[in-house]
Amino acid sequence: ELKVEQNPLFLSMQEGKNYTIYCNYSTTSDRLYWYRQDPGKSLESLFVLLSNGAVKQEGRLMASLDTKARLSTLHITAAVHDLSATYFCAVDMGLMDSNYQLIWGAGTKLIIKP
Amino acid sequence: KAGVTQTPRYLIKTRGQQVTLSCSPISGHRSVSWYQQTPGQGLQFLFEYFSETQRNKGNFPGRFSGRQFSNSRSEMNVSTLELGDSALYLCASRRWRGGYNEQFFGPGTRLTVL
Repeated sequence: ELKVEQNPLFLSMQEGKNYTIYCNYSTTSDRLYWYRQDPGKSLESLFVLLSNGAVKQEGRLMASLDTKARLSTLHITAAVHDLSATYFCAVDMGLMDSNYQLIWGAGTKLIIKP
Repeated sequence: KAGVTQTPRYLIKTRGQQVTLSCSPISGHRSVSWYQQTPGQGLQFLFEYFSETQRNKGNFPGRFSGRQFSNSRSEMNVSTLELGDSALYLCASRRWRGGYNEQFFGPGTRLTVL
């Protein structure tokens, strides 16, 4: 069974601290996506990781992908309150345009306290 | 460029009724996926339509159905509503970028079943 596991599922941290969210998946894929969702809102695309060793950074967020370990990480540097949200990873199992299968993690609810 | 639009944004129905939700994808995108999001079950895949054909379906009862029109707009229908159908229903528009899927979510329809 295809599985995508995120941990932790809930994270409360202080502003200014660093932390990492982990996304493990159970089968081979080299396409992984990170999304952000604010409470009551839709999902916003953050990063698309397309190959082993891929690293993407946007502000205080950095995502990486290790396809051999089937692991992606989302690292938060010097957290600020505005980063409070739920973060989802999703693994794309499709091989082409007509074959699309996205497997989602359960999401990590991140609360950053002042 | 217009994003994904969903109508209505909010809906209140009573048990036993039926409801139709609409999604207009980004121009040029042929794929539309539907998701149900609840606090208890998280983000769950309902189905995907590509060029008017349903290609993938999640584990939902037959009360949930959908269709896609020639202009790629999609509708989702839920018949005989149950209290547990109360959720945020998200639509996602997708296109193949020659190596990965680029997916954008609409703002969602918040359905409340009383």
